[in-house]
Amino acid sequence: DVKVTQSSRYLVKRTGEKVFLECVQDMDHENMFWYRQDPGLGLRLIYFSYDVKMKEKGDIPEGYSVSREKKERFSLILESASTNQTSMYLCASSSRVREQETQYFGPGTRLLVL
Amino acid sequence: AQSVAQPEDQVNVAEGNPLTVKCTYSVSGNPYLFWYVQYPNRGLQFLLKYITGDNLVKGSYGFEAEFNKSQTSFHLKKPSALVSDSALYFCAVRPRVYNFNKFYFGSGTKLNVKP
Repeated sequence: DVKVTQSSRYLVKRTGEKVFLECVQDMDHENMFWYRQDPGLGLRLIYFSYDVKMKEKGDIPEGYSVSREKKERFSLILESASTNQTSMYLCASSSRVREQETQYFGPGTRLLVL
Repeated sequence: AQSVAQPEDQVNVAEGNPLTVKCTYSVSGNPYLFWYVQYPNRGLQFLLKYITGDNLVKGSYGFEAEFNKSQTSFHLKKPSALVSDSALYFCAVRPRVYNFNKFYFGSGTKLNVKP
């Protein structure tokens, strides 16, 4: 059974803290994605990576950075958390070569920044 | 610009009645089309996809979707709704050519099925 896991389901952080969200997939996928989900706004792409050490900005990269040192792991970093980054964060992965395949999602991390 | 529209924020339907959740897209070429469902505090789960061929595709939990090329639409349907179908539904599109690594998502439609 395919799996995308995220390091935390719920996180509470303080303004100004550095926050790490980790995502691991076991499907040997080339592509990995970070989205944030807010009510009424759907899914917005923050960053995606199509290979190890490769990354591309999505629609809302400001205030975020990412790291992809290994194929199976994609980390989202909030350099200095702010209250407007309170949100649901979803990680996903997909095959770059089997383009007919779906994207697979993790369970999400609900982040609260106080 | 590539975009996916789900014109209804919410759809209300009585249990046992047919349901439709609408999706239209503006993505160049002949993209792959997907539907996902999200239950509260969970990630998105794949429901079905359109690749090619028959315009009516069948997926999980009795859902199906109808592709219409001329209207660039991919509406999600179910002949008889269940209360357990109540969830958030997302339409997504993946280009076949340029930028094919990215998925474009609609804003989501909340489906409420009442007993």
